[in-house]
Amino acid sequence: EDQVTQSPEALRLQEGESSSLNCSYTVSGLRGLFWYRQDPGKGPEFLFTLYSAGEEKEKERLKATLTKKESFLHITAPKPEDSATYLCAVHPYSSASKIIFGSGTRLSIRP
Amino acid sequence: DGGITQSPKYLFRKEGQNVTLSCEQNLNHDAMYWYRQDPGQGLRLIYYSQIVNDFQKGDIAEGYSVSREKKESFPLTVTSAQKNPTAFYLCASSNPGDDTYNQPQHFGDGTRLSIL
Repeated sequence: EDQVTQSPEALRLQEGESSSLNCSYTVSGLRGLFWYRQDPGKGPEFLFTLYSAGEEKEKERLKATLTKKESFLHITAPKPEDSATYLCAVHPYSSASKIIFGSGTRLSIRP
Repeated sequence: DGGITQSPKYLFRKEGQNVTLSCEQNLNHDAMYWYRQDPGQGLRLIYYSQIVNDFQKGDIAEGYSVSREKKESFPLTVTSAQKNPTAFYLCASSNPGDDTYNQPQHFGDGTRLSIL
């Protein structure tokens, strides 16, 4: 069965304290892996798509990486405005158009 | 600006009542989706549609219905058969592009449904 697991469930960091969020997946084959940011009461905002192991994407303080079993979202020197829930989703080959979401990591950055 | 508009932002349902959530997009996307989000859980797929006048059940379709009469619109009806409808409902759309089905989904800002 295709599955996506995100860890940790919640993470509290001091401003400037770098860390990583993990997304582990089990799929028969991977078409693509997506990262989203979701603010409270809002819809998810698309951040990155990764397609193959070894690929990396960067945007401001965020960098996403991909291996054959997991993806990491690295956050460097975070600021309070980076506080949000970060969602990972995978698009398996077993499905033409359905993607599977993880339950997210709630990130809180203290000033 | 192009985007996805969901309305209303908040909705209250009485016992035995059907309610309809609106989703409109002006991104010219072919595919549209409805998800349900409960606290501490990932998004669960209710229904999706890849073209006009066609739609498929997702993982939790029971108690819900949809229509896709226009490319821009994909309304979701929460029927009285859905016994636990309190949740945050999200609509999304995507454009297959050159690599069919591998484009990111873009989301509206959701409708929060509660029971009176």
